[in-house]
Amino acid sequence: RKEVEQDPGPFNVPEGATVAFNCTYSNSASQSFFWYRQDCRKEPKLLMSVYSSGNEDGRFTAQLNRASQYISLLIRDSKLSDSATYLCVVNANDYKLSFGAGTTVTVRA
Amino acid sequence: DTAVSQTPKYLVTQMGNDKSIKCEQNLGHDTMYWYKQDSKKFLKIMFSYNNKELIINETVPNRFSPKSPDKAHLNLHINSLELGDSAVYFCASSQDSSLAYEQYFGPGTRLTVT
Repeated sequence: RKEVEQDPGPFNVPEGATVAFNCTYSNSASQSFFWYRQDCRKEPKLLMSVYSSGNEDGRFTAQLNRASQYISLLIRDSKLSDSATYLCVVNANDYKLSFGAGTTVTVRA
Repeated sequence: DTAVSQTPKYLVTQMGNDKSIKCEQNLGHDTMYWYKQDSKKFLKIMFSYNNKELIINETVPNRFSPKSPDKAHLNLHINSLELGDSAVYFCASSQDSSLAYEQYFGPGTRLTVT
């Protein structure tokens, strides 16, 4: 079983729509959770950390469900500029992060 | 003011050759990493250095040898390149080895082995 699994998508949504997707992780001892964003042929960049109580950053909301070992990302009022691949990232042990293969979101006009 | 820089950006070479990729960060971070992103888009950690000391050495062929002359630089040398080495290699840095800190990635080096 992969350490971090994501639905690859693509999720094709119109501007203004809400899109949400999850990722699951295998290590129940994981303590750090993040969403990174990667644009085509670019480097990953941190979108947001995910906290136990859930957190919001503008149009982006992240949730953590430890019991079911998944985290989610919800994007409200989608913009064309939100088109990217979203990487779910979880710490595999004390020293390294595990990256999911990403969920591709395409926002159309 | 590039935070994490890598050279070269593109590298096309033949099987059997030896090549190096250089990485530098000007963020004052203590920890640096090398990742490989293959065609399936998985980012996999290869190595990590904290203050010039190796702290992560994943199951990577020993043809790959990292070198950290100081904490701002982490280079990657690859001997006897193989077709399967074709990938994008990302360097990254973080404040320290605590995984709570954001990792900043370089622009990547796209390696093609023919």
